Amino acid sequence: SQQGEEDPQALSIQEGENATMNCSYKTSINNLQWYRQNSGRGLVHLILIRSNEREKHSGRLRVTLDTSKKSSSLLITAPRAADTASYFCATDAQGGSEKLVFGKGTKLTVNP
Amino acid sequence: DAGVIQSPRHEVTEMGQEVTLRCKPISGHDYLFWYRQTMMRGLELLIYFNNNVPIDDSGMPEDRFSAKMPNASFSTLKIQPSEPRDSAVYFCASSQRRGYTFGSGTRLTVV
Repeated sequence: SQQGEEDPQALSIQEGENATMNCSYKTSINNLQWYRQNSGRGLVHLILIRSNEREKHSGRLRVTLDTSKKSSSLLITAPRAADTASYFCATDAQGGSEKLVFGKGTKLTVNP
Repeated sequence: DAGVIQSPRHEVTEMGQEVTLRCKPISGHDYLFWYRQTMMRGLELLIYFNNNVPIDDSGMPEDRFSAKMPNASFSTLKIQPSEPRDSAVYFCASSQRRGYTFGSGTRLTVV
């Protein structure tokens, strides 16, 4: 399957120190999405980047996509303690399937 | 919009009992997904529907699991009989091709 894999599995940083999480996937995609999950809650959609895009911004989030390396990164600038959560990348299948396959996630802890 | 609504939030049941999880998607979303999340296996897609029709049920673990979507505003996931290894958080999500909206999940414990 074309499961995305996030790296690192866990990341602990101080407030204000930029947080970067990476995702690698196996097969061609139409788009890649990032989600956030607070403990005990459902996942929340953060950002979608299409296969013909290289970079996208949304507030303090910056996502890059390198289709030649089959990888993506999520950068959170000036993170706060409230950004503590697990972050997942998800990939679809080229060909138009709406089905998403999720990675195991990166558990981010932002210390005040 | 109240978002995707799942019920119950928590379910504790004895092995062998039937369990029914419920989901109300966001109005106008034409896709509905059932996922299961465990520490060991992460998020697994069980089944998804498009316009109330099941499209891919290849993730349904075995015949004990069944899912229905009788109309655009309601879906159920049923486990009969339940087993301890079914213990997990079950999420429903809906979409309109712009990213998923997840419900808060049902935490199922089978003892």
